[in-house]
Amino acid sequence: GIQVEQSPPDLILQEGANSTLRCNFSDSVNNLQWFHQNPWGQLINLFYIPSGTKQNGRLSATTVATERYSLLYISSSQTTDSGVYFCAVERNDYKLSFGAGTTVTVRA
Amino acid sequence: DTAVSQTPKYLVTQMGNDKSIKCEQNLGHDTMYWYKQDSKKFLKIMFSYNNKELIINETVPNRFSPKSPDKAHLNLHINSLELGDSAVYFCASSRVTSYEQYFGPGTRLTVT
Repeated sequence: GIQVEQSPPDLILQEGANSTLRCNFSDSVNNLQWFHQNPWGQLINLFYIPSGTKQNGRLSATTVATERYSLLYISSSQTTDSGVYFCAVERNDYKLSFGAGTTVTVRA
Repeated sequence: DTAVSQTPKYLVTQMGNDKSIKCEQNLGHDTMYWYKQDSKKFLKIMFSYNNKELIINETVPNRFSPKSPDKAHLNLHINSLELGDSAVYFCASSRVTSYEQYFGPGTRLTVT
């Protein structure tokens, strides 16, 4: 199956800092999504982004499908950004495969 | 107005018991999913239904059986529960297959 690697595994930020999370995948995909799992366990869909660039407030994402990676940018981080960020991809088989996640801790 | 809801939120039961988890979505989506998240937070697809038809059936013990009575509901029944079944089970839905997914709050199952 398709392999999904996320880096870094852990990230500690001071409030107000910017950061970049990376997702590499092993094959071409027709579906790529970023999720945030907050400390209470809720999974929130951030972006559906199989290619191109999208922005939503302080978050933005870019997927370069031809080079098999996606980046999630967090700007002016806030404590509410803490949690685990997951990248998930699908290769034409309806099955979304998740990476191991990046755990982000934002300190006040 | 909860989009994807699951019941119960917590489930504590003994080995050997049978239990069910229910999921409902009010988004009008065609596709629903069950995922399992283990203690290391790894998420894995278990099942998916599209318009009440099973389209994903991953390598899951046959003690797990999904049922979709209609497009808005997807239930998960587990027979003869084992310690290794302890996990958080998430239901999700998407408007169509291969599109953005919306997750329920999860059901934390603990088997003792």
